[in-house]
Amino acid sequence: GAGVSQSPRYKVAKRGQDVALRCDPISGHVSLFWYQQALGQGPEFLTYFQNEAQLDKSGLPSDRFFAERPEGSVSTLKIQRTQQEDSAVYLCASSPWDALYFGPGTRLTVL
Amino acid sequence: GQQVMQIPQYQHVQEGEDFTTYCNSSTTLSNIQWYKQRPGGHPVFLIQLVKSGEVKKQKRLTFQFGEAKKNSSLHITATQTTDVGTYFCAGLNNDMRFGAGTRLTVKP
Repeated sequence: GAGVSQSPRYKVAKRGQDVALRCDPISGHVSLFWYQQALGQGPEFLTYFQNEAQLDKSGLPSDRFFAERPEGSVSTLKIQRTQQEDSAVYLCASSPWDALYFGPGTRLTVL
Repeated sequence: GQQVMQIPQYQHVQEGEDFTTYCNSSTTLSNIQWYKQRPGGHPVFLIQLVKSGEVKKQKRLTFQFGEAKKNSSLHITATQTTDVGTYFCAGLNNDMRFGAGTRLTVKP
């Protein structure tokens, strides 16, 4: 079946621009996670949803980062006024209850 | 907050040699998971350990969960070039936190 999909796969933004990253989880998966992965590093936790409820957003680096999952399926990670330090791969993962199934990620480059 | 530390950061082995990566948490974990990420790819789930002292095997891979549920290891016997990648542990407490990973390279 279809896995987790993310769009766009690549995004180049000018500093100060707003971006929106989309995640389509595996159908029926209750949990959805967002991670930020810098080059050569492990995935850094950003936020976690169970259905439409955002249960943990402690990993969001600043109030410029906002995530939503309004209907408990598709999720969007929005970054306002992007900064160069926001450049990274943003990974989305969904989970039925145990394993995380990752999407291919969105590579964000902020110039 | 919860910290998951992983060592070594890099490991280069000759094909056929064994490889081990270690994961340590500052807090007791509900469970621990291991993932493999190939260059240019995304993390792929390998296994989950839940019980104290648990040992699981997948062909040449052996996974252990410590008695105190604060550490874990992944051991690969007789590495092959297909084992190349970065191996991450991820600990579940209130959320799933990843270690920095061990990058394995294998010389044929």
